[in-house]
Amino acid sequence: KAGVTQTPRYLIKTRGQQVTLSCSPISGHRSVSWYQQTPGQGLQFLFEYFSETQRNKGNFPGRFSGRQFSNSRSEMNVSTLELGDSALYLCASSGIAGAYNEQFFGPGTRLTVL
Amino acid sequence: SQQGEEDPQALSIQEGENATMNCSYKTSINNLQWYRQNSGRGLVHLILIRSNEREKHSGRLRVTLDTSKKSSSLLITASRAADTASYFCATARANSGSARQLTFGSGTQLTVLP
Repeated sequence: KAGVTQTPRYLIKTRGQQVTLSCSPISGHRSVSWYQQTPGQGLQFLFEYFSETQRNKGNFPGRFSGRQFSNSRSEMNVSTLELGDSALYLCASSGIAGAYNEQFFGPGTRLTVL
Repeated sequence: SQQGEEDPQALSIQEGENATMNCSYKTSINNLQWYRQNSGRGLVHLILIRSNEREKHSGRLRVTLDTSKKSSSLLITASRAADTASYFCATARANSGSARQLTFGSGTQLTVLP
């Protein structure tokens, strides 16, 4: 099976812009979770989608949003970008909802906000 | 916020030696997982141990879990230069309803010298 894919791999934006990141899970997986990784805060959970429904959300402002399509592909959107949004954004897919099973991570999207 | 801490933050050993990393967490868990990350790339799942298990093996990896002390350890035997990476523990809380995301530790940077 093909692994989790994320596009784009690298992105440079300026403050105030918005950005959309995409994640395609492993075929047959219906759960997609998003994580933000920064040197200061480490790996932090953003949200999880399962069967097009957001099941769980981390402690991030409303500027961070997401959605999942019927084919399980997921997008994450960040509006009004701030310098502190510079991070590696990782998505992970799983065959079941929640974290009761292993998660398969994509290579990440490196976002730089100038 | 992060569920727990990993110890040590950095570990440097010679090829062929064993490497031990420790992880502590704060709440009751359903399972604890270990992941590896090479140089800012995606995470690779190594092993999952459930709360009712005490030890698990996978190849050169051995994981122990002590729920009374809320701690886990990862042992890599006969280390290789290719094992150089950051290692993270992640926990999935027990009985938390919809809040079943993975909460990651701060990671241990392992360097294996040839």
